Amino acid sequence: GAVVSQHPSWVICKSGTSVKIECRSLDFQATTMFWYRQFPKQSLMLMATSNEGSKATYEQGVEKDKFLINHASLTLSTLTVTSAHPEDSSFYICSARDPGGGTDTQYFGPGTRLTVL
Amino acid sequence: QKEVEQNSGPLSVPEGAIASLNCTYSDRGSQSFFWYRQYSGKSPELIMFIYSNGDKEDGRFTAQLNKASQYVSLLIRDSQPSDSATYLCAVKDGGSNYKLTFGKGTLLTVNP
Repeated sequence: GAVVSQHPSWVICKSGTSVKIECRSLDFQATTMFWYRQFPKQSLMLMATSNEGSKATYEQGVEKDKFLINHASLTLSTLTVTSAHPEDSSFYICSARDPGGGTDTQYFGPGTRLTVL
Repeated sequence: QKEVEQNSGPLSVPEGAIASLNCTYSDRGSQSFFWYRQYSGKSPELIMFIYSNGDKEDGRFTAQLNKASQYVSLLIRDSQPSDSATYLCAVKDGGSNYKLTFGKGTLLTVNP
């Protein structure tokens, strides 16, 4: 099956620093990846759609200058949380769209737990 | 505003029973429907997808879709304690943005 990896799996940083999270599709090419955020006991919240070779599309209310997304290749998208603050502490999960086989299915990475002190 | 509704639960069933999870959606143009399982502290894992009206079976799991009623369900036969998780229903519309709209999930507890 389709495999998506994320790195790091967890990160602790000081307030004001920036954190980069990588999302990779390991066995398929993903022209489209998605970034979600999930707070404890809440549902997934889509932050943005990442398209290879073009600018990301952000959901309403998500600050594009704070959450920088780069989709530089067909297998890698990165999310950079700039000037992180404690309220940015959350579980960040990426997914990659696998258009192959006619399923057009999203597969999720294992997630990155960010704690901002 | 596209909406996907699920009963938040918790749904509690005894081991070996059938668990029935339900989902309704508001957008009649929706084309694809997905069920994900999410264990506490983990990311969602795809269980099944369904496109056509009717039933689709995969092992102990059966997805059912009724587009006329805008209803999709997931049946888990012979439920096991390891099935205890939150089950997320997700819907993709017929457009080209590929986004999924997720329900808030149903917490399932299978009691030994």
